[in-house]
Amino acid sequence: QLQLQESGPGLVKPSETLSLTCTVSGGSINSDSSYWGWIRQPPGKGLEWIGNIHYSGSTSYNPSLKSRVTISVDTSKNQFSLKLSSVTAADAAVYYCASGGKLRYFDTERRDYYYYHGMDVWGQGTTVTVSS
Amino acid sequence: DIVMTQSPVTLSVSPGDRATLSCRASQSVISNLAWYQQKPGQAPRLLIYGASTRATGIPARFSGSGSGTEFTLTISSLQSEDFAVYYCQQYNDWPPMYTFGQGTKLEIK
Repeated sequence: QLQLQESGPGLVKPSETLSLTCTVSGGSINSDSSYWGWIRQPPGKGLEWIGNIHYSGSTSYNPSLKSRVTISVDTSKNQFSLKLSSVTAADAAVYYCASGGKLRYFDTERRDYYYYHGMDVWGQGTTVTVSS
Repeated sequence: DIVMTQSPVTLSVSPGDRATLSCRASQSVISNLAWYQQKPGQAPRLLIYGASTRATGIPARFSGSGSGTEFTLTISSLQSEDFAVYYCQQYNDWPPMYTFGQGTKLEIK
């Protein structure tokens, strides 16, 4: 059973770089059909997708964060990581790592099969505070 | 950018009743719509993708419908464990990119 665990500093100073790691167990990060992502949730607020990575290194990022975000993968350690630079108080949140495979479904509108690269396994989340 | 708007913000329903949650996209997302459930202190759980396909292990009382810009999540015969916050999410075919709605809190009436 695939499990994800976030780790990293719980306190980051303003203007510094937030760095988190997600360790994958019960499965391999070298899965062609899997995507590995980061999502965050500020206190009392909703979910915000940060970005995804495939083990091949292919990434996609939220346009609103793209200039500050780097997601990387370390296949030797079965881990992937998030770096968010120049943090401010607005970056304080619970950060989740998540994974998703290729979930096939029949699109009744387009009348063909498509895939959802969704988030069906999540870590428990880690709280990051931004303060000097 | 596509904006996802959920309504209502809070929905009060009695156990055993039906709940209907809405999600509207600012432009057509075809059927690229997923629903997640989040309970306090827990990570979200995938319920529905492709607007109407239930994820593995999701009970049949959860159903999704809609396409284009209007989507609905229906929970028939609410159970105590169903009271939570629900998020809709639109996604791209490729590359995988996502936008969440602001959430609907389903509370016990």
